[in-house]
Amino acid sequence: NAGVTQTPKFQVLKTGQSMTLQCAQDMNHNSMYWYRQDPGMGLRLIYYSASEGTTDKGEVPNGYNVSRLNKREFSLRLESAAPSQTSVYFCASSGLQGAVARGYTFGSGTRLTVV
Amino acid sequence: ILNVEQSPQSLHVQEGDSTNFTCSFPSSNFYALHWYRWETAKSPEALFVMTLNGDEKKKGRISATLNTKEGYSYLYIKGSQPEDSATYLCAFDGSQGNLIFGKGTKLSVKP
Repeated sequence: NAGVTQTPKFQVLKTGQSMTLQCAQDMNHNSMYWYRQDPGMGLRLIYYSASEGTTDKGEVPNGYNVSRLNKREFSLRLESAAPSQTSVYFCASSGLQGAVARGYTFGSGTRLTVV
Repeated sequence: ILNVEQSPQSLHVQEGDSTNFTCSFPSSNFYALHWYRWETAKSPEALFVMTLNGDEKKKGRISATLNTKEGYSYLYIKGSQPEDSATYLCAFDGSQGNLIFGKGTKLSVKP
C-alpha cells in the first residue's frame, strides 16, 4: 500500500549515542516533515522540507539534523542523544492542492528511549 | 508563536450520544484548517481539510464546520460508537509552510 514508511519502530539509545531515523514516501509528495509527540505537548515540528533540496527548522530543532536525500526520503539524525529526546517521532508527507497542503500522511512512528 | 487551542482536553460519552468539540486558531494568514483522527498506538489519519469560511465537510457520522473570520472550527460526531474513541487533532495551515497542531481532544465512548 502507498504511504509513509518509517524505521525503526523502536529504539533504545544510551546518552551520547547517535542514530538516524529513516523515512520514505511513495506518493510523489513534495513536502515532508518530522514531528515529535510528548505527553501533554501534542505534535511539535522538528524540521520540514518543502521540496527536494530544501530543509527548514520547525519549533524544536535543537539536537537534530535532517537530510532530504531525494524526493522520497527524509531522514532525521540525533548526533548525541539526550534523555530529553525520549519521545515518539512521526514522519509525515503532503502534496499540494493549489497553494494548500492536502491532509498529511503519517508514518507509523518511532518510539525512542534515551537512557 | 501561533497558537491552536482545542477544547475540551478529554470527553467521555455513552454510545449513541452526539458530541462536538472546538478548535480555535489565528484568524489572520489563514490557508486551511485540518482535522485528524488519531487512534491509540496508530498514526494520525486525515479527516478533513477545510479552506473556505463557512465550509462544512461530512464523512459518515462525522462533520466539521469552519469560521475563518472568528478563528474556530467545530467537529461533530452524531450517535457516537465505541470505535469513534480516539484523539481528534486540529491543525492550522497559515503562511508558515507547515501545520501547527493543537493538543487534541481525547474522546472515549463507552458501550
